[in-house]
Amino acid sequence: GESVGLHLPTLSVQEGDNSIINCAYSNSASDYFIWYKQESGKGPQFIIDIRSNMDKRQGQRVTVLLNKTVKHLSLQIAATQPGDSAVYFCAEIRGNYQLIWGAGTKLIIKP
Amino acid sequence: ETGVTQTPRHLVMGMTNKKSLKCEQHLGHNAMYWYKQSAKKPLELMFVYNFKEQTENNSVPSRFSPECPNSSHLFLHLHTLQPEDSALYLCASSQDRRVNQPQHFGDGTRLSIL
Repeated sequence: GESVGLHLPTLSVQEGDNSIINCAYSNSASDYFIWYKQESGKGPQFIIDIRSNMDKRQGQRVTVLLNKTVKHLSLQIAATQPGDSAVYFCAEIRGNYQLIWGAGTKLIIKP
Repeated sequence: ETGVTQTPRHLVMGMTNKKSLKCEQHLGHNAMYWYKQSAKKPLELMFVYNFKEQTENNSVPSRFSPECPNSSHLFLHLHTLQPEDSALYLCASSQDRRVNQPQHFGDGTRLSIL
């Protein structure tokens, strides 16, 4: 079935470096995408979203890129900090407002 | 502070027990959701309420029974659960089910079935 998938289950990044977390989606009709961060013992926390009429959106230290041609979404975190350690989920919303979640990528920060 | 509060944070129960999970949102939202989160699996949507009306039930077993008395409160009543029901149960809310906006989550109830 159609789903949102993540390329890597775990990503290790040196503190201070930039992190890039990737996500592939399969439904070209999806029109809204969200990135969430989930820290241990907590619920998912909204980070940033992007609509399908955009290809880039920036927040505080985060940038989301959307490539509709190859159905690829990425989250870039600048100057990664220890507090960025978490599992990151991408999710897509399709026309019927159904939110489809990926399995998550665990980001590990190396000191 | 998330704006969405879930209680209890942890719950251990036997298979014959009856218990309820509670969720309260302070964001003025009209849609509320129950999700199940198991290890190494994507979040599974269980139920959706929009303006107090249940709009989705994703083939959830009847041993899970939701209740939404008003737009700010959501309950999940549990009865005769199975060991495979052990998971993190997350509540979320959003402005309206029919609008593309992010959902805001509570920190969940960690449920263990003995």
